[in-house]
Amino acid sequence: GAVVSQHPSWVICKSGTSVKIECRSLDFQATTMFWYRQFPKQSLMLMATSNEGSKATYEQGVEKDKFLINHASLTLSTLTVTSAHPEDSSFYICSAGRQAPTDTQYFGPGTRLTVL
Amino acid sequence: GESVGLHLPTLSVQEGDNSIINCAYSNSASDYFIWYKQESGKGPQFIIDIRSNMDKRQGQRVTVLLNKTVKHLSLQIAATQPGDSAVYFCAENVGADGLTFGKGTHLIIQP
Repeated sequence: GAVVSQHPSWVICKSGTSVKIECRSLDFQATTMFWYRQFPKQSLMLMATSNEGSKATYEQGVEKDKFLINHASLTLSTLTVTSAHPEDSSFYICSAGRQAPTDTQYFGPGTRLTVL
Repeated sequence: GESVGLHLPTLSVQEGDNSIINCAYSNSASDYFIWYKQESGKGPQFIIDIRSNMDKRQGQRVTVLLNKTVKHLSLQIAATQPGDSAVYFCAENVGADGLTFGKGTHLIIQP
């Protein structure tokens, strides 16, 4: 159990376009999901905390108008990168918190975004 | 901040040997710690966790040690196998917050 999926696994887009990434918890309900980004050979950095039915909480330095997060159900959170630019190219990873039996976060496989 | 292309610390061990990966954390309020394994191009995979009221926890071929006095965490992998080659991250957590990850260590298993 505790499987998290992401779609798409990779995407290439032109500068100025918007890209939506989906994160789903497949076999459990997640009231909280987290979005991370990871640059090559670096650690994961938390971008925002996504709570079902409420506004996301963004980490300092992360633009909420650029990285739109929607958590419409207990199994789905989406991250939309608006007006993407080459510097937004990164590996975006979501995780879902499963509070029972532990509050371990389980990670999706990640989405590789390349902005041309 | 860190520059792009920063090389991760690397630990190279012979297949069959034991490996120890170390991690220092900074937040004394952290109450939950996890080790993740990340293979190239994939998301982090949970290995083992430990709560702050414990100092040792064992899993299958892995042991995590926690020293709260010096804010140090270690992951021991016994009898390493080629499939253990990956980047290993420690992560700390306070309450229901998102994880704060360490910089990562690249473990290379030599045949």
